[in-house]
Amino acid sequence: AQSVTQLGSHVSVSEGALVLLRCNYSSSVPPYLFWYVQYPNQGLQLLLKYTTGATLVKGINGFEAEFKKSETSFHLTKPSAHMSDAAEYFCAVSFYNQGGKLIFGQGTELSVKP
Amino acid sequence: GAGVSQSPSNKVTEKGKDVELRCDPISGHTALYWYRQSLGQGLEFLIYFQGNSAPDKSGLPSDRFSAERTGGSVSTLTIQRTQQEDSAVYLCASSLVGGTSGGIRSEYFGPGTRLTVT
Repeated sequence: AQSVTQLGSHVSVSEGALVLLRCNYSSSVPPYLFWYVQYPNQGLQLLLKYTTGATLVKGINGFEAEFKKSETSFHLTKPSAHMSDAAEYFCAVSFYNQGGKLIFGQGTELSVKP
Repeated sequence: GAGVSQSPSNKVTEKGKDVELRCDPISGHTALYWYRQSLGQGLEFLIYFQGNSAPDKSGLPSDRFSAERTGGSVSTLTIQRTQQEDSAVYLCASSLVGGTSGGIRSEYFGPGTRLTVT
């Protein structure tokens, strides 16, 4: 079965510290991979996605993620956290033969301490 | 419009009543998706429309749930005989083209409708 696991439902970092949000997937076919961010009382916004090509993907707001097939991972990183990064982050996968519908992880809430 | 819009933004209904939730996708987007976000289940796929093809209803949790997409644009999600476990935020998303041919396009999400069943 296809699934997405995000390790850590809550992550807290200090402002200026490295942000690392973990995502692993389970799939028998190559996935397309996404990270979405959700600010309070708002919809989901795409941060970045991997479909083909370069495995290191850069997104908006200074975030990036690296697809590691051998580890079935797509961890999200940002070198220096900002207070405005506090939000919930969702990792998701989709597959070429399933119409683009997304399978989401459970989400990780990121808190940023001053 | 500039983005995906949904109405109402909030809906409170009594158990057993029917509700209709509306989604206006981005103009020109041929693919439309409904998802549900709840505390216990996270984000779940419900249904997917792509052009004139038969919708993918594989995520609908019961036969009380149905959806239509009229004229390839606006979509309505209907929940009949609502139950308390239906309380959730219902999110709609649209994209330029579905991914069936491998051409993955970004999905743009609306702000959601928060449904509370009392």
